[in-house]
Amino acid sequence: GAGVSQSPSNKVTEKGKDVELRCDPISGHTALYWYRQSLGQGLEFLIYFQGNSAPDKSGLPSDRFSAERTGGSVSTLTIQRTQQEDSAVYLCASSSEGGVGSVGGYTFGSGTRLTVV
Amino acid sequence: GQSLEQPSEVTAVEGAIVQINCTYQTSGFYGLSWYQQHDGGAPTFLSYNALDGLEETGRFSSFLSRSDSYGYLLLQELQMKDSASYFCAVNTGFQKLVFGTGTRLLVSP
Repeated sequence: GAGVSQSPSNKVTEKGKDVELRCDPISGHTALYWYRQSLGQGLEFLIYFQGNSAPDKSGLPSDRFSAERTGGSVSTLTIQRTQQEDSAVYLCASSSEGGVGSVGGYTFGSGTRLTVV
Repeated sequence: GQSLEQPSEVTAVEGAIVQINCTYQTSGFYGLSWYQQHDGGAPTFLSYNALDGLEETGRFSSFLSRSDSYGYLLLQELQMKDSASYFCAVNTGFQKLVFGTGTRLLVSP
């Protein structure tokens, strides 16, 4: 697609429920990143994919968080047994070459705003 | 650990020039990026400095001094639409960006 697409745009869930967040990166982008942004805060790194593998998942806050990527394209971030502290905007980004420093940088999606009540 | 320091808020008037500073302490450094984020929107890439000096892109310029672990974003001829949050981010060389906490820029008429 023309941009990075994330769904749903908003999700309200009850504490203890599982949620799945989806990211559709720009076609052909091999690198995919998940970040989390709490209200008024910076972006917290969660996980990085190169193709279908995740060389760096050091930012996942707990074992309730997992992510996968299939076909070198769509990625799903799953949060099990959600807690109120999981409430945040979850942002996905992709880039063409793991190009952290390349011209153009990351292209971000608009995010999924997760609210745990 | 990794830390990037930015002012939390900067205010300016239309037509003015504003500078947003960023100092960093990271385990690795390969370059400094800047991103703009409007409320409720996606962060968008503005600039990247891998080497010392000034990079200019239209009304926006970005500067880096690696010896001082310091960079800044310079916005000229400010417009109302420039009101947004601005984030610096360091490429630590581990295929990910580490972001600062952001600077909220408020432009008034």
